[in-house]
Amino acid sequence: GAVVSQHPSWVICKSGTSVKIECRSLDFQATTMFWYRQFPKQSLMLMATSNEGSKATYEQGVEKDKFLINHASLTLSTLTVTSAHPEDSSFYICSAALLTDTQYFGPGTRLTVL
Amino acid sequence: ELKVEQNPLFLSMQEGKNYTIYCNYSTTSDRLYWYRQDPGKSLESLFVLLSNGAVKQEGRLMASLDTKARLSTLHITAAVHDLSATYFCAVAIIPYNTDKLIFGTGTRLQVFP
Repeated sequence: GAVVSQHPSWVICKSGTSVKIECRSLDFQATTMFWYRQFPKQSLMLMATSNEGSKATYEQGVEKDKFLINHASLTLSTLTVTSAHPEDSSFYICSAALLTDTQYFGPGTRLTVL
Repeated sequence: ELKVEQNPLFLSMQEGKNYTIYCNYSTTSDRLYWYRQDPGKSLESLFVLLSNGAVKQEGRLMASLDTKARLSTLHITAAVHDLSATYFCAVAIIPYNTDKLIFGTGTRLQVFP
């Protein structure tokens, strides 16, 4: 089946620094990638939808300048959390989709901001 | 605003018992997904329900979809400890060719001996 990887799997950073998370589709070309955020014991919240070569579409309430998404190729999307603060600590999950009804989810990245 | 609600939010059940998790959503959609999440892990796909009346079964789990009632159910038969996890339903919104998923609140299932 289709495999999606994320790197890093966990990261701890100081407040005010920026963190980049990579999402890769390993054995297929993804037309669309999604980024989700999940707080402890809560559901997944869709942050943004990204298509290769175009600007990401952000959900209401998600700060574009805070969460920079770049979808440079059909196999790679990156999420950069700029000037991270403790409230940005969360579990970030990406998914990649073909032109079908199936999203393939990455293993997630746990971000802790001190 | 699309809302996806699951009921119950937490379920503690004895091994061998049956139970149903409900997923209600507030807008028209004919595609619904069920996922399982273990603590600290990402999502595992369980079922994709693509039309009204769709029913799918895998092992002790069976999912169904009623698009007219905007309701999906996940039925657990003769629960075992290995089923302990959090279960999410997700409703598809289809702006283009690829579904955009709105997740339910989640149901945390704990199965005890």
